[in-house]
Amino acid sequence: RKEVEQDPGPFNVPEGATVAFNCTYSNSASQSFFWYRQDCRKEPKLLMSVYSSGNEDGRFTAQLNRASQYISLLIRDSKLSDSATYLCAVNWRGAQKLVFGQGTRLTINP
Amino acid sequence: NAGVMQNPRHLVRRRGQEARLRCSPMKGHSHVYWYRQLPEEGLKFMVYLQKENIIDESGMPKERFSAEFPKEGPSILRIQQVVRGDSAAYFCASSPAMGAIPNNEQFFGPGTRLTVL
Repeated sequence: RKEVEQDPGPFNVPEGATVAFNCTYSNSASQSFFWYRQDCRKEPKLLMSVYSSGNEDGRFTAQLNRASQYISLLIRDSKLSDSATYLCAVNWRGAQKLVFGQGTRLTINP
Repeated sequence: NAGVMQNPRHLVRRRGQEARLRCSPMKGHSHVYWYRQLPEEGLKFMVYLQKENIIDESGMPKERFSAEFPKEGPSILRIQQVVRGDSAAYFCASSPAMGAIPNNEQFFGPGTRLTVL
């Protein structure tokens, strides 16, 4: 079983729709959680950290479920510019490295 | 307020040559991480360094790969005797000292795309 798993997609949704991704992790000692966005042939850009209480940044909402060991990302009112690959990343207690999922490819259609 | 800088952005090497990739962290960041992304795959951790120290090299291949972060100057990822399978995007990330920001986020540079002919 992979340490961090995501549905690779692709997800194709119309502009204005709401879309949600999940990401599961296997290590119960995971401590910090992140969503990154990666455009084609570009570097990952930090979208948001994921906090235990859940957090929101504009149209983006991230949630953490420690009991079931997954994090989620919800995008409301999707824009064409949201088209990208979304990577979840986890780091473990006592380690600094990030363990990434394979990414979920999202395409927003006009 | 420059971000993480990497150079070169593109590097072409023939099999058997050496590749040197450089990374300058964000201003104020003292931790550097190297990740590799093979075509159509996710990012894989390679090594984590602080100034003059390798903290975690659990993701580094056992042979041909080395990394350093000297007291002065950028971090260097060095690949000796490159093979075709080394072709990938190599990303560097940096973060500030532990506890400086709540979740110790890592910020990525633009990457070096290595092509081995």
